[in-house]
Amino acid sequence: EVQLVESGGSLVQPGGSLKVYCAASGFTFSGSAMHWVRQASGKGLEWVGRIRSKANNYATAYAASLKGRFTISRDDSKNTAYLQMNSLKTEDTAVYYCTRHLDYGDYWFDPWGQGTLVTVSS
Amino acid sequence: DIQMTQSPPSLSASVGDRVTITCRASQSISNYLNWYQQKPGKAPKVLIYAASSLQSGVPSRFSGSGSGTDFTLTISSLQPEDFATYYCQQSYSTLWTFGQGTQVEIK
Repeated sequence: EVQLVESGGSLVQPGGSLKVYCAASGFTFSGSAMHWVRQASGKGLEWVGRIRSKANNYATAYAASLKGRFTISRDDSKNTAYLQMNSLKTEDTAVYYCTRHLDYGDYWFDPWGQGTLVTVSS
Repeated sequence: DIQMTQSPPSLSASVGDRVTITCRASQSISNYLNWYQQKPGKAPKVLIYAASSLQSGVPSRFSGSGSGTDFTLTISSLQPEDFATYYCQQSYSTLWTFGQGTQVEIK
């Protein structure tokens, strides 16, 4: 079964850091570009960023609104992607989804994980 | 960034109605346009990719059209399970972006 499972979401204080995880199974992780998408409560979907495959030099790209606070990485030996979030703000409170696309070929998100909730509050 | 503008933001419709949602890109994106359905508390799922290709397992009442800057998602006969929020998303540029969503509600 093709599956993505996020974990690591929690309550963190403003200015703090948090790392969330995305474990993949059922597909060729190493050939996939991995993305993070977030959704604040009652709001729309916001693309956060992505990391491409080794064949594309693990190139990363991020939404401009994040201004360098977030970093995406991956460990192909563990079939896991990561989202490191620093200098967190209350407006970063959201459900964070990981998703993927085949790095050569399709350009849509499938599948999606169930999401992990990050709450930034004092 | 490429901006994606959906309309309407919400609509009310009855079972059996034909529903059309539009999405406009701020610049040409060829056919790099996808549509997703999201139900409350669930992750989105892809319905249409590359503007007009139906994802496997998605009912044929869903269809997509368009290219360049203007795109449409059509539900030919709305079913009870179709009440949800729909998002368009472009994958043309390095930075992928979503439309703001269209909530389809029961009339």
